[in-house]
Amino acid sequence: AQSVTQLDSQVPVFEEAPVELRCNYSSSVSVYLFWYVQYPNQGLQLLLKYLSGSTLVKGINGFEAEFNKSQTSFHLRKPSVHISDTAEYFCAVSEVQAGTALIFGKGTTLSVSS
Amino acid sequence: ETGVTQTPRHLVMGMTNKKSLKCEQHLGHNAMYWYKQSAKKPLELMFVYSLEERVENNSVPSRFSPECPNSSHLFLHLHTLQPEDSALYLCASSQEREPYYGYTFGSGTRLTVV
Repeated sequence: AQSVTQLDSQVPVFEEAPVELRCNYSSSVSVYLFWYVQYPNQGLQLLLKYLSGSTLVKGINGFEAEFNKSQTSFHLRKPSVHISDTAEYFCAVSEVQAGTALIFGKGTTLSVSS
Repeated sequence: ETGVTQTPRHLVMGMTNKKSLKCEQHLGHNAMYWYKQSAKKPLELMFVYSLEERVENNSVPSRFSPECPNSSHLFLHLHTLQPEDSALYLCASSQEREPYYGYTFGSGTRLTVV
């Protein structure tokens, strides 16, 4: 069975600084990988996803993530954050097989201050 | 608005009450999901419905009873809940049960059991 570990529960950064949110996964088969964002009092919104092909994936709001198969990682990055990026970020994994559900990590709280 | 609507947004209920959570989507999706989100824990997959048939039930207590009358609507019936059931309940939908597409989430119902 697959699992997801988000290594940081909270990441505080200053506005316009770069940020990296770390995600490692465990699976014995090929996987799809996702990052979701949850703003206060809202549901989860898809930021980006890795399905196949290029290991660098670009998403919405200037975020990108890089799939590293050898390190089983899928870290999320943004070169310059805004106050509005303050939210909870979830990494998720799914086997490349129809009928399998998304498995989520515990989430990382990104707090951006001025 | 993401296309998945959950009502009510907030619910406070006593342990002896019976209530229902509602989820509605008009995205043309045919798979729907209930997740439980508790503080600092991974999202827990509770139920999966595909083409109105329950295909997954992850050891959820019987005090939670799902219902999917058609592909656009999903309910979670609640009765004799415990305080530890207090959480954010998220509904999601997807095209087929193919993880390739990712999920579309609703904004959730914040449930408090007193």
